[in-house]
Amino acid sequence: SQQGEEDPQALSIQEGENATMNCSYKTSINNLQWYRQNSGRGLVHLILIRSNEREKHSGRLRVTLDTSKKSSSLLITASRAADTASYFCATVAPAGGTSYGKLTFGQGTILTVHP
Amino acid sequence: DVKVTQSSRYLVKRTGEKVFLECVQDMDHENMFWYRQDPGLGLRLIYFSYDVKMKEKGDIPEGYSVSREKKERFSLILESASTNQTSMYLCASSPIFPFTGGNQPQHFGDGTRLSIL
Repeated sequence: SQQGEEDPQALSIQEGENATMNCSYKTSINNLQWYRQNSGRGLVHLILIRSNEREKHSGRLRVTLDTSKKSSSLLITASRAADTASYFCATVAPAGGTSYGKLTFGQGTILTVHP
Repeated sequence: DVKVTQSSRYLVKRTGEKVFLECVQDMDHENMFWYRQDPGLGLRLIYFSYDVKMKEKGDIPEGYSVSREKKERFSLILESASTNQTSMYLCASSPIFPFTGGNQPQHFGDGTRLSIL
């Protein structure tokens, strides 16, 4: 079953604007990861946030995690045309269960950045 | 950089054929994974492997099998291909989980777009 649900399904913005994507999940997690997928290519890992962390930064990326609401957001600041891609959140279950270590992906947000 | 190489970018096969999808990683990773990606369904885990000759079922293993005879190579096998197995197939690898608490990211190949006619 799908663990993560991204919102919105599609987002269209102009270059220079910020892009915010949200992810909700249903069960406890060990960590949550964000990936990017360019059209016709594989996924590229962007950032990982552990369940005991609330915010993390990497370059123009900012990820927040609210475990009480079971949600995360990915913010891309000052977007560029090259940021056009699909973005997926993926969760890892806590240790001890049969799902430990496996990634469970959401359906993704398609981001289009217009020059 | 980690490189995960999938043998074919595009593949067309016929219903009933036995199909092999190959994946090789060059970073000595213990874990390897096979996913399929379909519009509206995201990525779904088919099988994964924590070690040579070891395999575990993912969420949708029916109609598939896997082989891991060497650490760097993980093969996905469609025993008798059917049209509902037309999809994008993605292979991934990562270092072993137990020492990292499941916190290591996965590295993906570019995918094989498989069409079953």
